[in-house]
Amino acid sequence: QLVLTQSPSASASLGASVKLTCTLSSGHSRYAIAWHQQQPEKGPRYLMKVNSEGSHTKGDGIPDRFSGSSSGTERYLTISSLQSEDEADYYCQTWDSGIRVFGGGTKLTVL
Amino acid sequence: EVQLVETGGGLIQPGGSLRLSCAVSGFTVSSNYMSWVRQAPGEGLEWVSVIYSGGSTYSADSVKGRFTISRDNSKNTLFLQMNSLRADDTAVYYCAREGLSYGPFDFWGQGTLVTVSS
Repeated sequence: QLVLTQSPSASASLGASVKLTCTLSSGHSRYAIAWHQQQPEKGPRYLMKVNSEGSHTKGDGIPDRFSGSSSGTERYLTISSLQSEDEADYYCQTWDSGIRVFGGGTKLTVL
Repeated sequence: EVQLVETGGGLIQPGGSLRLSCAVSGFTVSSNYMSWVRQAPGEGLEWVSVIYSGGSTYSADSVKGRFTISRDNSKNTLFLQMNSLRADDTAVYYCAREGLSYGPFDFWGQGTLVTVSS
């Protein structure tokens, strides 16, 4: 069964960097995922697609501070030079024939 | 400019029906994979249904047999027909574009709130 697992919360200081993790279920290490950001009281926004090889393709207008990487069944979102507007929920998402799957989301607090 | 605008949400009694619309501009709905995604109050995102460019449709087990995704190519609009609504269907419903084939949701609407309550 295709499942994505995320830590419920993370925190980092203003100006620092943070790395969020999304873990694919066993046997699904070749799957790409997407990262989406949801700021408070707003709809989701597509950030990037991260492939199993570690490359990433960002959505329109996504700052260079956001990057993606991979290792095994883990997919990462790194945000550098944290700003107050980066405080949001971050969801990973993947897909297969007939299904789409979201992780539970990580709530990022900027201290 | 790509825009997705959902309408049709509101307050509905348990067991009732509602049809959501997603009016699209900036691309052709029929050429893309399109989905509905929902978010219950205080909860995470949950995929609901997808329609492929070829017309095939798939739905999550939680809505299978009750919800139907469709589109009107002449109006460039996506729909979600929701029947036999339950309290746990209460959520903000978003439409999202997936692109020309399997892939990430790369554009989202702003959402419409559906509240199922007596």
